[in-house]
Amino acid sequence: GQNIDQPTEMTATEGAIVQINCTYQTSGFNGLFWYQQHAGEAPTFLSYNVLDGLEEKGRFSSFLSRSKGYSYLLLKELQMKDSASYLCAVGDSNYQLIWGAGTKLIIKP
Amino acid sequence: NAGVTQTPKFRVLKTGQSMTLLCAQDMNHEYMYWYRQDPGMGLRLIHYSVGEGTTAKGEVPDGYNVSRLKKQNFLLGLESAAPSQTSVYFCASSMGPDRAGELFFGEGSRLTVL
Repeated sequence: GQNIDQPTEMTATEGAIVQINCTYQTSGFNGLFWYQQHAGEAPTFLSYNVLDGLEEKGRFSSFLSRSKGYSYLLLKELQMKDSASYLCAVGDSNYQLIWGAGTKLIIKP
Repeated sequence: NAGVTQTPKFRVLKTGQSMTLLCAQDMNHEYMYWYRQDPGMGLRLIHYSVGEGTTAKGEVPDGYNVSRLKKQNFLLGLESAAPSQTSVYFCASSMGPDRAGELFFGEGSRLTVL
């Protein structure tokens, strides 16, 4: 079966660094995607990994290990506005996204 | 910069009623999708379209129908609403197969079925 696991909730402090993990088992692989979703709003695209390694985009970085079925999203210099849910998704063999349930990130002052 | 627009934003239905959700995108995207989002679960694909005049079933298509008569529009219909269809519905679009995973979402439509 297809499965994507990520923690339900995490708490971090403003200014700190947090790592959100995602593990997956899917039929086929066409990229791993991270989205941000603020409460009551639509998801917005953050990052895309198709090859192993780290992709950096400002304060956000995403890592992928295809052999381990593992990814993480790293958020640096946390700001209160980073309080949101972070959704991990994998492109399957039909180029459709399989979504994790999301990790709710709570930032405390 | 409209992007993806969904109407209506909110709707309350009684069991057995029908309704249509409209999605419009102005980015000339080939692919369009309808998802539902329920608490504690990932986004689940209802139906999708890879081009004008085409539709395909996703993970949870039962109880829904779709049409894509024009490239910019993707309609989701509920023929006979059930309480299990209470959810937040998101429409999304993407450029095509090379960027299939980079989705642009509408603001969502919150549907309650009593």
